[in-house]
Amino acid sequence: DTEVTQTPKHLVMGMTNKKSLKCEQHMGHRAMYWYKQKAKKPPELMFVYSYEKLSINESVPSRFSPECPNSSLLNLHLHALQPEDSALYLCASSQGRSFTDTQYFGPGTRLTVL
Amino acid sequence: AQSVTQPDIHITVSEGASLELRCNYSYGATPYLFWYVQSPGQGLQLLLKYFSGDTLVQGIKGFEAEFKRSQSSFNLRKPSVHWSDAAEYFCAVGAEGGLTGGGNKLTFGTGTQLKVEL
Repeated sequence: DTEVTQTPKHLVMGMTNKKSLKCEQHMGHRAMYWYKQKAKKPPELMFVYSYEKLSINESVPSRFSPECPNSSLLNLHLHALQPEDSALYLCASSQGRSFTDTQYFGPGTRLTVL
Repeated sequence: AQSVTQPDIHITVSEGASLELRCNYSYGATPYLFWYVQSPGQGLQLLLKYFSGDTLVQGIKGFEAEFKRSQSSFNLRKPSVHWSDAAEYFCAVGAEGGLTGGGNKLTFGTGTQLKVEL
C-alpha cells in the first residue's frame, strides 16, 4: 500500500477562519512533507518533518503552522489566510529524509480563501 | 542555489509517436534528478530518478531519461506515446540541506503540459 490520504478534498474559508488540513500515511514512513501548488505552477515545498524534526522553507508565512502528532499523521493549521493562499496543498511521505527515498504524494486539498 | 528549466510549456504529439521532454538543471554538485507526472486534480507520481551510475535511467510506464552532465540536461523520453500519457510533467532537482533545520529541498521546474492527439 503506497497511499497517502488527505482530508478534506476541498476547503473554502474566510480570512478570519481557523482551519486544519490533515494528511495520513500507513507505510511506516518517517518523513512527511507539505507542498503548495498554485494553478499552472510547480509545487513548492513548505515544510518537512523527518524523524520528528521540523525543517522550514523560510519563505512560508507564519499563518501556516505544521504539526506532526505522530509519524503517521501530519496536520497543517491555517489561520488568518489571504486570498493569495488559495492553492492545492499536497502532502507527501517518504521512508527517510534522503533523496534516494521516493516521495509518495497524496491527491491534495484544494483550498479557496475568500 | 539549484534551479530547473523546462523550456517547453506545452507539447502536442500524436498517439504512437515518440516523445522527448526537455529539462536543464543548475546545481553545483552532483545532482539528484527526478521526473514526476501529475494528472489533472491529482498528486504527483514519480516516473524515475537519477543519483549516480548508469546515465540512462528506466522508469515506470515505459519512460526513460538520460543524464548528460556536459549539457546539464536530464531529458525524458518515451518511444511510443499512449493517450493516457496526457498530463503535466515536472522535472525536479534535489539539494541537500536546502531548508532551515537542515532538511533536503526538492525544486521543481515549471512543468510541461503534454497533449496527445488520437
